[in-house]
Amino acid sequence: EDKVVQSPLSLVVHEGDTVTLNCSYEVTNFRSLLWYKQEKKAPTFLFMLTSSGIEKKSGRLSSILDKKELFSILNITATQTGDSAVYLCAVGSYNTDKLIFGTGTRLQVFP
Amino acid sequence: EAGVAQSPRYKIIEKRQSVAFWCNPISGHATLYWYQQILGQGPKLLIQFQNNGVVDDSQLPKDRFSAERLKGVDSTLKIQPAKLEDSAVYLCASSPGQNLGPHFGNGTRLTVT
Repeated sequence: EDKVVQSPLSLVVHEGDTVTLNCSYEVTNFRSLLWYKQEKKAPTFLFMLTSSGIEKKSGRLSSILDKKELFSILNITATQTGDSAVYLCAVGSYNTDKLIFGTGTRLQVFP
Repeated sequence: EAGVAQSPRYKIIEKRQSVAFWCNPISGHATLYWYQQILGQGPKLLIQFQNNGVVDDSQLPKDRFSAERLKGVDSTLKIQPAKLEDSAVYLCASSPGQNLGPHFGNGTRLTVT
């Protein structure tokens, strides 16, 4: 059965800290891995990764995929209180054409 | 670009009642999804449309849930009759193609009492 596991489940840090969120997966015929940020409303798209070893970067956020070890990390440097959210990882498969979501990592950044 | 629109934002009903949610995807997006997100969990796909055809509805509880996407644009999701365990946020998302990351609407928070 396809699955996506995120860790840690929750994380509490102070502003300025750097955090690393993990996403491991077991999916038949992997197509892509996506990261979303979810505050109180809709998940907002952050990154889509399809190739190993190529870092995607947007401001203080970056992500990389390892297709051999079947995981991805999302890094946030110099965290701010506005980074507080649930970060969701989702994996797509060529077999099913649907995204399988992990349960998310809840990040809380305190001033 | 206007985002995915959903209504209502909130709905409270009693068990065994029926409820319907509406979604208007981003213009030109052929693929539309309905997800159910229970508190503390990640979104779970209920049904995926490509234009007005169903691509995947394997996790839709068909005895009580139904969805349609007439004319390949707007979509409605209905629950009849509702159960307590249906309390969740129902997210609609759309994508220009099946292989691209979907954009989500703000969701409808359903509480069944």
